[in-house]
Amino acid sequence: QVQLKETGPGLVQPTQTLSITCTVSGFSLTSYYMQWVRQTPGKGLEWMGFIRSGGSTEYNSEFKSRLSISRDTSKNQVFLKMNSLKTEDTGVYYCARHYRVDIGGFAYWGQGTLVTVSS
Amino acid sequence: DIVMTQAPLSVSVTPGESASISCRSSKSLLHSNGITYVYWYLQKPGKSPQLLIYRMSNLASGVPDRFSGSGSETDFTLKISRVEAEDVGIYYCGQLLENPFTFGSGTKLEIK
Repeated sequence: QVQLKETGPGLVQPTQTLSITCTVSGFSLTSYYMQWVRQTPGKGLEWMGFIRSGGSTEYNSEFKSRLSISRDTSKNQVFLKMNSLKTEDTGVYYCARHYRVDIGGFAYWGQGTLVTVSS
Repeated sequence: DIVMTQAPLSVSVTPGESASISCRSSKSLLHSNGITYVYWYLQKPGKSPQLLIYRMSNLASGVPDRFSGSGSETDFTLKISRVEAEDVGIYYCGQLLENPFTFGSGTKLEIK
């Protein structure tokens, strides 16, 4: 059974760094792309970036300068790190998996982790 | 960036009737490989989005066949036949043709 679960800090201060862990089960990170999507009051659903099954990454240029995605395949975990947080970064952050190995689409989602950026 | 524009903003449907949601992309989503990279999602209240349709017209696993997707290179439609109470939520279209992947702003479906 495919499962994804995000774990985040909840509250982050402006200018600080956000770190979120996505722990997966039921499949191998070396077989699927893993995506990060966030949902904010201001912009709705926004794709942030992904890490390929082979480990390379691609980012939305909107976040590129301050976003980093990595993984630890031995722990079945994917990581999102974003620095220089602003209040507009408040929202729910999701990790998601492609539908199938050869078919995209955000088919499996975690429950999301709410991040509030506030002093 | 490819802009995805949805209409209407909201729709109210009587159970058992049909509903259609439109989505228009600012650029053709038809790839040279013949695949049209538009996707449909439903976000039920308080839940994460779920995939309904992939590559314009393919039903995702476990999704009732009351849902169907169609369209051209830039104009797409999600049709829900025989709407049920469990179909309430916000429907989003999205494109996976090119970076950055983008979503529409959503269409809220309510039951009369």
